Amino acid sequence: ELVMTQSPAILSVSPGERATLSCRASWSVNSNLAWYQQKPGQAPRLLIYGASARATGVPARFSGSGFGTDFTLTIGSLQSEDSAVYYCQQYNMWPPYTFGQGTKLEIK
Amino acid sequence: EVQLVQSGAEVKKPGESLTISCQGSGYTFTSNYITWVRQMPGKGLEWLGRIDPRDSYVAYSPSFQGHVTVSADKSISTAYLQWSSLKASDTAVYYCTRVATDCGGDCYSSSWGQGTLVTVSS
Repeated sequence: ELVMTQSPAILSVSPGERATLSCRASWSVNSNLAWYQQKPGQAPRLLIYGASARATGVPARFSGSGFGTDFTLTIGSLQSEDSAVYYCQQYNMWPPYTFGQGTKLEIK
Repeated sequence: EVQLVQSGAEVKKPGESLTISCQGSGYTFTSNYITWVRQMPGKGLEWLGRIDPRDSYVAYSPSFQGHVTVSADKSISTAYLQWSSLKASDTAVYYCTRVATDCGGDCYSSSWGQGTLVTVSS
């Protein structure tokens, strides 16, 4: 099974600063990588697909990059409402379409 | 507006059976795969399986194969997740998702249901 590894597990960043979240695949997933945001008590929400395309309604401060095995989600100019757990998911090789274990983003 | 509306929370005893549902609206139900995702308490997301509502073909994660059954009734735009004998370890929130179609096959989840909490306890 293809394994997705996210780092760090917890990230604490001040408002207005930039957050960089990483996701690594155990082998290439090409650009078939999505990022989701999950706030407490809510369902996940799609942020990024195709490694770098923003989903409808997602603010421009969210950006994704990467190809193959290494991917990054960057959140520029953090706001308090960005506090959440962020998951990456590969959809290149199934089953299953594995998720990373998540990065909890805390706003100081 | 695309919506996936899931059935309500359930409390069951070990060994009991259960079916939860996910009804799609605001789009043509047969145009998109539906996946199910498990989230155990305080844990991450696990991809459980997905169904093509056109022909009810199902692909399961090896970790869940044989433990759950995914099905769909396209006439009422509804997908189901079923257990024949629940275990305490099935306690989790289960989400259904609508899979995007721009990947030429399986793809990311563009819409999510609100989740169904299943609690299994004696």
